[in-house]
Amino acid sequence: DGGITQSPKYLFRKEGQNVTLSCEQNLNHDAMYWYRQDPGQGLRLIYYSQIVNDFQKGDIAEGYSVSREKKESFPLTVTSAQKNPTAFYLCASSAGTGGAVGNGYTFGSGTRLTVV
Amino acid sequence: AQKITQTQPGMFVQEKEAVTLDCTYDTSDPSYGLFWYKQPSSGEMIFLIYQGSYDQQNATEGRYSLNFQKARKSANLVISASQLGDSAMYFCAMREGSSNTGKLIFGQGTTLQVKP
Repeated sequence: DGGITQSPKYLFRKEGQNVTLSCEQNLNHDAMYWYRQDPGQGLRLIYYSQIVNDFQKGDIAEGYSVSREKKESFPLTVTSAQKNPTAFYLCASSAGTGGAVGNGYTFGSGTRLTVV
Repeated sequence: AQKITQTQPGMFVQEKEAVTLDCTYDTSDPSYGLFWYKQPSSGEMIFLIYQGSYDQQNATEGRYSLNFQKARKSANLVISASQLGDSAMYFCAMREGSSNTGKLIFGQGTTLQVKP
């Protein structure tokens, strides 16, 4: 079955550490997105990528980095510069980036990151 | 600027009754798509229903229907015959046809609790 796989499901980070969250999709989707969700809150866009080897900052990119070396993969690194990284992170993909307004997102199951 | 507003942070409904979750949007683009997602406590985002701006009829998917009032720029989700498993957070989202990024704009969400 096609879908998006996020790993790990739970991740614990020590102060000052960089950690990388994995996101892999086998839907052949062009676009991929990373969102952060704080408890009881909505989704905030961190980074997105419309094509391999290209990505753009979202609304809260500071302290995060991404790469898109393969169409299937869009890993997110939470760097030590991110002062409050404890949150739920969701990865999503979409079939197209043009005017096809019916293309919604397929989401992964998320990664809960906690600073210890 | 494009925006999605969900004015109900929390809602209660009795099991087997119907409930309406409000969503208003703001866009100047004549072509857009509206989506509803469900997020249970486990965190995954589940697609529920889609409505295109040019669709003549309101969308329905099983117990979910979308009350689309274009002139009022509202896209309320109606859940009929509520079940305990409907307890979750619900997000309204929009995609504009003029956007070349494919990004969805999300509302802040409404938490629904179904009482037995």
